Amino acid sequence: EVQLVQSGAEVKKPGESLKISCQGSGYSFTSHWIGWVRQMPGKGLEWMGIIYPGDPDTRYSPSFQGQVTISADKSISTAYLQWSSLKASDTAMYYCAILPSGNADYWGQGTLVTVSS
Amino acid sequence: DIQMTQSPSSLSASVGDRVTITCRASQSIRNYLNWYQQKPGKAPKLLIYAASSLQGGVPSRFSGSGSGTDFTLTISSLQPEDFATYHCQQTYSTPLYTFGQGTKLEIK
Repeated sequence: EVQLVQSGAEVKKPGESLKISCQGSGYSFTSHWIGWVRQMPGKGLEWMGIIYPGDPDTRYSPSFQGQVTISADKSISTAYLQWSSLKASDTAMYYCAILPSGNADYWGQGTLVTVSS
Repeated sequence: DIQMTQSPSSLSASVGDRVTITCRASQSIRNYLNWYQQKPGKAPKLLIYAASSLQGGVPSRFSGSGSGTDFTLTISSLQPEDFATYHCQQTYSTPLYTFGQGTKLEIK
């Protein structure tokens, strides 16, 4: 069974750094793109960027380029989303997801990030 | 990058109603379109892939149509469990797939 398990909720202050994780199991981690999706409170889904752990090739949506860093450690089948300096506007739910292909539909459970002074 | 525009952004309807949500792409995406349902606090769930193919386990009252730039999601007879937010997503521009802004379906 394919599973994506994300790290737990975080509460941070503006200016702090943060790295959240998404561990995959039940499939070949290095053979599938895995991405991150942001959902701000009461808003829609935004595809932030994606990584192919086997290369690792990384692509960012224009809105998120330079704002976050996506990485992966294939030895532990884990993808990461990282901020160097959080802002209040980074408060959101973050989901990891395997890049959809046909009827494949695999998402993590979400990580809530709250940034508040 | 490809922009996806959904309408309406919110919709009030009653149990038993027929509901249609539309999604328009800024350029042709052939039939590379998914529809998701999302309930509060949960990850999105795939309903329709390749514009019109029903995901396994999804009730047949859900259907999708369209190709090129214009797409629709139809729920033929709303059930209480269908009140949720619906998102379209283009899967044409690999690997940076974009979503529409979502449609919140509420009980009238």
